[in-house]
Amino acid sequence: QVQLQESGPGLVKPSETLSLTCTVSGGSISSYYWSWIRQTPEKGLEWIGYIYRSGSANYNLSFQRRVTISVDTSKNLISLKLTSVTAADTAVYFCAREQTTSQWFFDLWGRGTLVTVSS
Amino acid sequence: DIQMTQSPSSLSASIGDRVTITCRAGRSVDNSLNWYQQQPGKAPKVLIYADSNLQSGVPSRFTGSGSGTEFTLTINGLETEDFATYFCQQSYSTPYTFGQGTRLEIK
Repeated sequence: QVQLQESGPGLVKPSETLSLTCTVSGGSISSYYWSWIRQTPEKGLEWIGYIYRSGSANYNLSFQRRVTISVDTSKNLISLKLTSVTAADTAVYFCAREQTTSQWFFDLWGRGTLVTVSS
Repeated sequence: DIQMTQSPSSLSASIGDRVTITCRAGRSVDNSLNWYQQQPGKAPKVLIYADSNLQSGVPSRFTGSGSGTEFTLTINGLETEDFATYFCQQSYSTPYTFGQGTRLEIK
């Protein structure tokens, strides 16, 4: 059974870089797109971007200049880096697998990790 | 970006009721519309994908319909575990966007 687990610091200072990792266990990263999605009470669910096993990524322009998503297929890891964070980046961050065989949807999610931006 | 608008924002219903949630897209998303259920403190779980396809393991009381810009999620015969928040999401084009959610509460 494939599982996703987000990990990383729960507290980040303003202007610093938020770094999270998603570990994929019980299956392979191959043949799927992997997204980061965040959730806040104010804005709800926001798609940050996705990456494919090749390393090809697509980002939400709302985060374009600040975000990098990378993949390590040898370790089954997907990483998120978000620079120059502010309090508005305080959110629960999810990694999610996207089915792309014939239709595109998020069929598997991690439990999410709360990141608070505060000094 | 394609804006997704759900209605109502919240809904009270009783066990056994039939409820319908609507999702409207700012422009056509063809049939690329997915529905998720989220329990408090948990990740969203897909119920319906591509407008009307029931995800494996999801009870048949959940049905989706619509196309283009207007979609509905119907739950026939509410059960206790259905009281949760529901989101629509378009996968027609990036950036993927979600509705603001509909909170379904017990009356």
